[in-house]
Amino acid sequence: SAVISQKPSRDICQRGTSLTIQCQVDSQVTMMFWYRQQPGQSLTLIATANQGSEATYESGFVIDKFPISRPNLTFSTLTVSNMSPEDSSIYLCSVGTPNSGNTIYFGEGSWLTVV
Amino acid sequence: EDKVVQSPLSLVVHEGDTVTLNCSYEVTNFRSLLWYKQEKKAPTFLFMLTSSGIEKKSGRLSSILDKKELFSILNITATQTGDSAVYLCAVVANNNDMRFGAGTRLTVKP
Repeated sequence: SAVISQKPSRDICQRGTSLTIQCQVDSQVTMMFWYRQQPGQSLTLIATANQGSEATYESGFVIDKFPISRPNLTFSTLTVSNMSPEDSSIYLCSVGTPNSGNTIYFGEGSWLTVV
Repeated sequence: EDKVVQSPLSLVVHEGDTVTLNCSYEVTNFRSLLWYKQEKKAPTFLFMLTSSGIEKKSGRLSSILDKKELFSILNITATQTGDSAVYLCAVVANNNDMRFGAGTRLTVKP
């Protein structure tokens, strides 16, 4: 399995500001994903973070709102830009590990509240 | 459109009961089905199923996949209050697309 560290674990943000969430993995992984889980709902994939190229975004998510960096095989960041209360959510980083049959593991998540 | 449907959405039982959680799916180019337990924030991995009819077991939890009927079940026997959580089913396609169900919220009362 992979050990995934996310920070911040929780934050309260002002409307209109931006926050960057960091995800660090203890081993090199090919696939890194960012999910959002709004209160009471299941996980929704925001984008796949590709090393050395732009992230691949899912329908309904755009780079201007959720810019992603993936500078190497162990690290990624997700920025939530120009936040509104609707962005209050848990944001989860996850990785796929081919050695574990492509099982997906999750970080502890970052709980953002926008006021 | 690919979809994953879990049932029931919520379930309340008493300690010692046995529960069965259901997950049905419609996914193009199915590769695997995963079960997760989510208590606070991050889901924790339980099982990955790729072949029909082979039961995966871990303690009081077990799961099986039926690729013909396109569903999986997660069984928990002799439930404990610590089993209270949301149980998520996710299906992975060959292109690595992963789709989650809405989850089943299990509450185990003492």
